[in-house]
Amino acid sequence: NAGVTQTPKFQVLKTGQSMTLQCAQDMNHEYMSWYRQDPGMGLRLIHYSVGAGITDQGEVPNGYNVSRSTTEDFPLRLLSAAPSQTSVYFCASSPIGSYEQYFGPGTRLTVT
Amino acid sequence: KQEVTQIPAALSVPEGENLVLNCSFTDSAIYNLQWFRQDPGKGLTSLLLIQSSQREQTSGRLNASLDKSSGRSTLYIAASQPGDSATYLCAVSTNDMRFGAGTRLTVKP
Repeated sequence: NAGVTQTPKFQVLKTGQSMTLQCAQDMNHEYMSWYRQDPGMGLRLIHYSVGAGITDQGEVPNGYNVSRSTTEDFPLRLLSAAPSQTSVYFCASSPIGSYEQYFGPGTRLTVT
Repeated sequence: KQEVTQIPAALSVPEGENLVLNCSFTDSAIYNLQWFRQDPGKGLTSLLLIQSSQREQTSGRLNASLDKSSGRSTLYIAASQPGDSATYLCAVSTNDMRFGAGTRLTVKP
């Protein structure tokens, strides 16, 4: 099992550019989520999904889109990057009902 | 809105000392509480998961307790080692998961 994988590990964008952060898991987990981690603020939930075709907003969803076409993949899209989106992004998954989350290694994004 | 607070923000102890990390939350209607470890530049590793019906969980030198009614959890680390140096985060699950800002632990040889 690879667990939860994220690509890329590092990314630098210019303001206004768009990109997609990839997340995949091979544990057949129904629940997947995206977080951002900023210094001194812990992790904040951006979007989550309880299964293919179902997504919902978390605490800080503005500026981000998600889709869930398969159980395995949960990409996060930045439509028009802003410096405020400079952060470390983590993807996580868990089986429904367990709530024990497994995290990917993270993507460090810098927007200049 | 669920608020999760971890105190202290940073802690430095000599090797061998027993220590306690604290986590408090404002809404007691949680499904579970989870403690994570994060090494610099790395992702999160789950240490212990306490279901809402449980009072504590143990794994090796780690013991986590949960008092839902008072909105508190503690992570007890026995006989600390330099390898325990990391940031420890607690997170509570209701409809989503809310994290504390973490406690950065340094264990000095």
